[in-house]
Amino acid sequence: AQSVTQLDSHVSVSEGTPVLLRCNYSSSYSPSLFWYVQHPNKGLQLLLKYTSAATLVKGINGFEAEFKKSETSFHLTKPSAHMSDAAEYFCVVGRGSTLGRLYFGRGTQLTVWP
Amino acid sequence: NAGVTQTPKFRVLKTGQSMTLLCAQDMNHEYMYWYRQDPGMGLRLIHYSVGEGTTAKGEVPDGYNVSRLKKQNFLLGLESAAPSQTSVYFCASRPPASGTDTQYFGPGTRLTVL
Repeated sequence: AQSVTQLDSHVSVSEGTPVLLRCNYSSSYSPSLFWYVQHPNKGLQLLLKYTSAATLVKGINGFEAEFKKSETSFHLTKPSAHMSDAAEYFCVVGRGSTLGRLYFGRGTQLTVWP
Repeated sequence: NAGVTQTPKFRVLKTGQSMTLLCAQDMNHEYMYWYRQDPGMGLRLIHYSVGEGTTAKGEVPDGYNVSRLKKQNFLLGLESAAPSQTSVYFCASRPPASGTDTQYFGPGTRLTVL
């Protein structure tokens, strides 16, 4: 079975400081892993995805995530937060199967203070 | 190329009323999905379709029906709306199995049931 745990429901950082959003996953298969971002009253935008090609994945807007199989983690980081990063972030696991079902974490709300 | 579009964007219903949400995609994707998003719950899969004329139940299908008469459209129906169906509904689509599960999301429909 697949499941995702986002360890923090809210994270607050100051502009210019690093961002760390934590995600642990459980999967019976080799997983596909994603981070999606949702800005207020908007749809979901794909930030980055892991599909077994490389453990360090770079995404849009300076975000990256590292797949650590031994820790079953896929934490999202950014060296320097920007005000425009304030949004809700979802860690997502897929099975890599033809059905393509995705399993979402509950989300982490990122607040960026000036 | 509009991607994934959803109609309507907002709707208010009274308990017991019915309505249909329309999802359309112009990317020739085979797979389409309906999710609901509730605070603190992430996105949960309602129904999905792996091709024209086929549908299947997801995680939370009760109270909803779907149809996929045309490849580009995926309809979500509420026959008798209940306050518990107040939510934001997202549609997504995905190309045929390509080794990844990336889904492309619409902007969402905010539904309130009074």
